[in-house]
Amino acid sequence: NAGVTQTPKFQVLKTGQSMTLQCAQDMNHEYMSWYRQDPGMGLRLIHYSVGAGITDQGEVPNGYNVSRSTTEDFPLRLLSAAPSQTSVYFCASTRGRRETQYFGPGTRLLVL
Amino acid sequence: EDKVVQSPLSLVVHEGDTVTLNCSYEVTNFRSLLWYKQEKKAPTFLFMLTSSGIEKKSGRLSSILDKKELFSILNITATQTGDSAVYLCAVPPDKLIFGTGTRLQVFP
Repeated sequence: NAGVTQTPKFQVLKTGQSMTLQCAQDMNHEYMSWYRQDPGMGLRLIHYSVGAGITDQGEVPNGYNVSRSTTEDFPLRLLSAAPSQTSVYFCASTRGRRETQYFGPGTRLLVL
Repeated sequence: EDKVVQSPLSLVVHEGDTVTLNCSYEVTNFRSLLWYKQEKKAPTFLFMLTSSGIEKKSGRLSSILDKKELFSILNITATQTGDSAVYLCAVPPDKLIFGTGTRLQVFP
């Protein structure tokens, strides 16, 4: 199993550009989540999904969209990038609510 | 509002010291508490605690949960430079809530 994979590893955007961060897992996990991590802020939940076709907002959803058309994939879309979205983004998946999350390696995003 | 608070925010010790990291929480529908270690990349799982008073142990690391007082501690004995990391505490209902972490630096 590859576990949780994320692409790209690093991306530089200009303000106003859009892009999609990819996340995939091959463990047949129901739950998938996107987090951003900023210095001194810990991990903050952006959006999450409890199964294919179901998504919900987390703590900091503004400026991001998600979809879950398959169990395996959970892409995160930045509609119009802003410098405040400069961060490290982690995708995670878990089999059930009480179980540990498996994290992807992260995507470092810089918005100029 | 659900919240998870970790202390201290930062800790600097010498090799061989013992450290205790704290995590307190206020969440509805508590099910479990998770500890993670984060070095340069994604957090890696350490422990999951669901029952009060039962210590989880892995080598020099151990953790215990107190559901009455709503906190957990992570102990690291005989610290090594490889223990230098940010240690995150998290409490999952549907939305996994993370503390801001404790940055541990171990110097030789």
